[in-house]
Amino acid sequence: DIQMTQSPSSVSASVGDRVTITCRASQGIDTWLAWYQQKPGKAPKLLIYTASNLQNGVPPRFSGSGSGTDFTLTISSLQPEDFATYYCQQAKSFPRTFGQGTKVEIK
Amino acid sequence: EVQLVESGGGLVQPGGSLRLSCADSVFSFSTYTMNWVRQAPGKGLEWLSYINSGSSITYYADSVKGRFTISRDNAKNSLYLQMNSLRDEDTAVYYCARGSGRPEVWFDPWGQGTLVTVSS
Repeated sequence: DIQMTQSPSSVSASVGDRVTITCRASQGIDTWLAWYQQKPGKAPKLLIYTASNLQNGVPPRFSGSGSGTDFTLTISSLQPEDFATYYCQQAKSFPRTFGQGTKVEIK
Repeated sequence: EVQLVESGGGLVQPGGSLRLSCADSVFSFSTYTMNWVRQAPGKGLEWLSYINSGSSITYYADSVKGRFTISRDNAKNSLYLQMNSLRDEDTAVYYCARGSGRPEVWFDPWGQGTLVTVSS
């Protein structure tokens, strides 16, 4: 199975800050990576797919990059509605696997 | 608009069974792959199972293989998860998610989730 490791597990930031979250795969996954946002009590929402493609309706302050084993999600200017938990997911092979999540909290 | 709606969750004793359903409002449900994902209380996301559009291909996580069965009824726009031999550690919110992209390897949209509690 491909293990996905996110860092940090949590980050405290202020509105307007630039936030970067990292996801590392235990083996190469090309660009078969997605990022999801989950708010408390809600279902996850797809933000980015194929490592860097923005899902329809997602604000352009979100961006993704990387290939192979190392990936990043960047929020260029954190907004109040962005405080949530973010997960990466690999789609290179079954079983599909998620990172453990990164909680973005208000500083 | 509401697209995926799960039902069938509840309280069940260890060793018991439960069948979850997911109703999809999309017109072309029969053309999409579908998945089940769960989230234990306070924990992260765990993918459980996949089924292709024609039900000929299924995959399972090791944690549920042999105990859970995914199925679908395209005539009813519905996805199912039959859960047998339930354990305490199966307590979680269970989400259905439609396959997205080409190929359909991403999860979008998701249902609102249904809570399964396994406890005596």
